[in-house]
Amino acid sequence: AQSVTQPDIHITVSEGASLELRCNYSYGATPYLFWYVQSPGQGLQLLLKYFSGDTLVQGIKGFEAEFKRSQSSFNLRKPSVHWSDAAEYFCAVGGKAAGNKLTFGGGTRVLVKP
Amino acid sequence: GAVVSQHPSWVICKSGTSVKIECRSLDFQATTMFWYRQFPKQSLMLMATSNEGSKATYEQGVEKDKFLINHASLTLSTLTVTSAHPEDSSFYICSASVAAAYNEQFFGPGTRLTVL
Repeated sequence: AQSVTQPDIHITVSEGASLELRCNYSYGATPYLFWYVQSPGQGLQLLLKYFSGDTLVQGIKGFEAEFKRSQSSFNLRKPSVHWSDAAEYFCAVGGKAAGNKLTFGGGTRVLVKP
Repeated sequence: GAVVSQHPSWVICKSGTSVKIECRSLDFQATTMFWYRQFPKQSLMLMATSNEGSKATYEQGVEKDKFLINHASLTLSTLTVTSAHPEDSSFYICSASVAAAYNEQFFGPGTRLTVL
């Protein structure tokens, strides 16, 4: 069965500092990987996705993620956070073997200090 | 492009009543729609998958008689919470996908259900 682990429940970062959110997945075939962001009371917005090719993926809002197959990881990074980046971040995995279903990690809540 | 809407955005109902939530793909035809449930400060849990014109497939532990899903057209799916109870209070989110954009789901803004 597929699964996603986001080890950090909360992360607090100062505005302007760098941010890295960890994501580890378990999937028995070629994974499709996603990062979503959710503001309170809102739906999910796709930040970036990885299907194949270049393992360093660029997304919206200055985010990037790197797929490392050997480590089963897909960590999200941003060089300099803005106060508006405070939100909940979800990593998700899916693939053809999963019949188009996504499995989400538990989420990481990011707090940004002024 | 790829916009998904949900209606209503929030609803309050009395215990024992039924509530219908609509999920629409506004600018594309969704071959598959998904319904998720999210408890406060928790992740999304898939409830069911529906393909247009066929019966929904429910995840283990989800009562299909309580959460009725209809996917009557390529742009509309509905979730009806029947005989709602306070424990059904939650944030319900739908998503839609297109066969051409395999495995990418476009999410609606969610519906907050409160059962009194």
